[in-house]
Amino acid sequence: AQTVTQSQPEMSVQEAETVTLSCTYDTSESDYYLFWYKQPPSRQMILVIRQEAYKQQNATENRFSVNFQKAAKSFSLKISDSQLGDAAMYFCAYSFTSGTYKYIFGTGTRLKVLA
Amino acid sequence: NAGVTQTPKFQVLKTGQSMTLQCAQDMNHEYMSWYRQDPGMGLRLIHYSVGAGITDQGEVPNGYNVSRSTTEDFPLRLLSAAPSQTSVYFCASSPLRGLSYNEQFFGPGTRLTVL
Repeated sequence: AQTVTQSQPEMSVQEAETVTLSCTYDTSESDYYLFWYKQPPSRQMILVIRQEAYKQQNATENRFSVNFQKAAKSFSLKISDSQLGDAAMYFCAYSFTSGTYKYIFGTGTRLKVLA
Repeated sequence: NAGVTQTPKFQVLKTGQSMTLQCAQDMNHEYMSWYRQDPGMGLRLIHYSVGAGITDQGEVPNGYNVSRSTTEDFPLRLLSAAPSQTSVYFCASSPLRGLSYNEQFFGPGTRLTVL
């Protein structure tokens, strides 16, 4: 069965510094999607970044980038120039591309940004 | 566009009561899903649907029913509430074609307490 593991329950970063959140997953599929979602204290889930497994190039969105290592089944999120508004829970998620269309979420990493 | 809407935002039930959590989306998305979020466990998929008249079970379906009679609506029914169903419930929708393929758009959540 597919699983998603986030081994860091909590991380802290100084404002303006860089932090990396880890995510590993297990699957026997060759084609799938990976996502990072942000959940601020408002509880609203917001998509941060997505990666298609067939694309070798790592996705980037402004200050957010991923390091996608398909062979190692690793999908880490790097946040550069951290801002106070980045403080939130971050969830890594895996999605099938066909058949069941099921999503699997990790348990989350709480990111604290220190002023 | 209102996006994904959920009602109610908060609900308190007594053990054994039944109720329906409402979810609606105005983006014409084919895919809709329900999750529950519990501390330390991330989001777990309850039920999902890939179109009107089609539903399937997720990871934790017991105690919940769904139906999808229209593209817009995907209600979640608790048949006989139990304290173990105390949680925050999220509805999400996703297009199954186009640029946002497989990206999930979340509602604001419903906090349910079962006494």
